[in-house]
Amino acid sequence: AQKITQTQPGMFVQEKEAVTLDCTYDTSDPSYGLFWYKQPSSGEMIFLIYQGSYDQQNATEGRYSLNFQKARKSANLVISASQLGDSAMYFCAMFPTGANNLFFGTGTRLTVIP
Amino acid sequence: DGGITQSPKYLFRKEGQNVTLSCEQNLNHDAMYWYRQDPGQGLRLIYYSQIVNDFQKGDIAEGYSVSREKKESFPLTVTSAQKNPTAFYLCASGPMGNEQFFGPGTRLTVL
Repeated sequence: AQKITQTQPGMFVQEKEAVTLDCTYDTSDPSYGLFWYKQPSSGEMIFLIYQGSYDQQNATEGRYSLNFQKARKSANLVISASQLGDSAMYFCAMFPTGANNLFFGTGTRLTVIP
Repeated sequence: DGGITQSPKYLFRKEGQNVTLSCEQNLNHDAMYWYRQDPGQGLRLIYYSQIVNDFQKGDIAEGYSVSREKKESFPLTVTSAQKNPTAFYLCASGPMGNEQFFGPGTRLTVL
């Protein structure tokens, strides 16, 4: 069975500070992809970053980085220098190679405080 | 511009009526997906299609139907058999096994 767990329903961060959003996953598939999406109040899902299970280095995309710890089955998202526009829901997702779709966590609502 | 479009953005339906949500993509992606999102929750897969004229049930397919007659289009019909259809519906497309690109969503409300 595939499962994604996000244990933080809500997080607060001061503007310009860094924040880590937690994500753990469970899969028996040896090959998989890990994704983070941002969902602002408008509802659209915005792709942020991707990490392949065999990638040796942690993924980075601008202010976003993914802290991938394969042995712990964790894929935490780190947002540096938070901005007010970062306030949104954030979803962790996994695409096991043996499956045909993404599996989503329940999300974390991030609020950036001025 | 390349992307995914969903229409309408807001949809109201009376109980007992079927309603069809549109999803179109011009990204030349083979795979397309429909998700349902309820307040405060993550996305749950309704149906997906990997190629034209083929589709598979997801985790919550009961009360829904789809078709895939063209690569660009993957409409979702919410039937009267769906007991609690009020939700936010997201369509996505992508190359198989890789990231998925999402449309802006349709918010369906049953009156």
